[in-house]
Amino acid sequence: DAKTTQPPSMDCAEGRAANLPCNHSTISGNEYVYWYRQIHSQGPQYIIHGLKNNETNEMASLIITEDRKSSTLILPHATLRDTAVYYCIVRSEGGSNYKLTFGKGTLLTVNP
Amino acid sequence: DAGVIQSPRHEVTEMGQEVTLRCKPISGHDYLFWYRQTMMRGLELLIYFNNNVPIDDSGMPEDRFSAKMPNASFSTLKIQPSEPRDSAVYFCASSPRTARGGYTFGSGTRLTVV
Repeated sequence: DAKTTQPPSMDCAEGRAANLPCNHSTISGNEYVYWYRQIHSQGPQYIIHGLKNNETNEMASLIITEDRKSSTLILPHATLRDTAVYYCIVRSEGGSNYKLTFGKGTLLTVNP
Repeated sequence: DAGVIQSPRHEVTEMGQEVTLRCKPISGHDYLFWYRQTMMRGLELLIYFNNNVPIDDSGMPEDRFSAKMPNASFSTLKIQPSEPRDSAVYFCASSPRTARGGYTFGSGTRLTVV
């Protein structure tokens, strides 16, 4: 699976949009971009995933660049409860590889 | 659905003792994963199963670790004998075959070996 690069930490003011970047320049055509987050002392939580189109759900939006070499997770109105480590993961679908490999992620701190 | 259920939530044991961690996946999920998390190494995949069959155990650190899935609703991760360096949070996760929607993780078992 392609490697991802994320900033180690980011800050955001409560109520503002949080934009978390991820670089995945070696992504291949059949690889999806997944985002998870881990709030302190809890198990990781799935947020959203996409292939090439932008995606939106009740938690967040995922914007993938046209060349698919980078993406941005957007939390439209961050709250204090969104403080967590956010992981960007690239993984192919199908075949025999069903693993999700977590990197170090981005620690997002939402400030009051 | 109650989600992925892990037990115990906390375990403190003495070095050399056997430790068994338990996991009940979400009903209908075909895949089950065991992860370990430490400050130094982050989240590491230990092993995963598909339809109760182990598919990839390349992350299992050594022979002291073993995992089983006797049926679709139960899995165990056993450490025998345990060592202080095994202290970590162990997570179980499950996923449907289609991966749409991603994995669902349990709350984890915090293991302390003294």
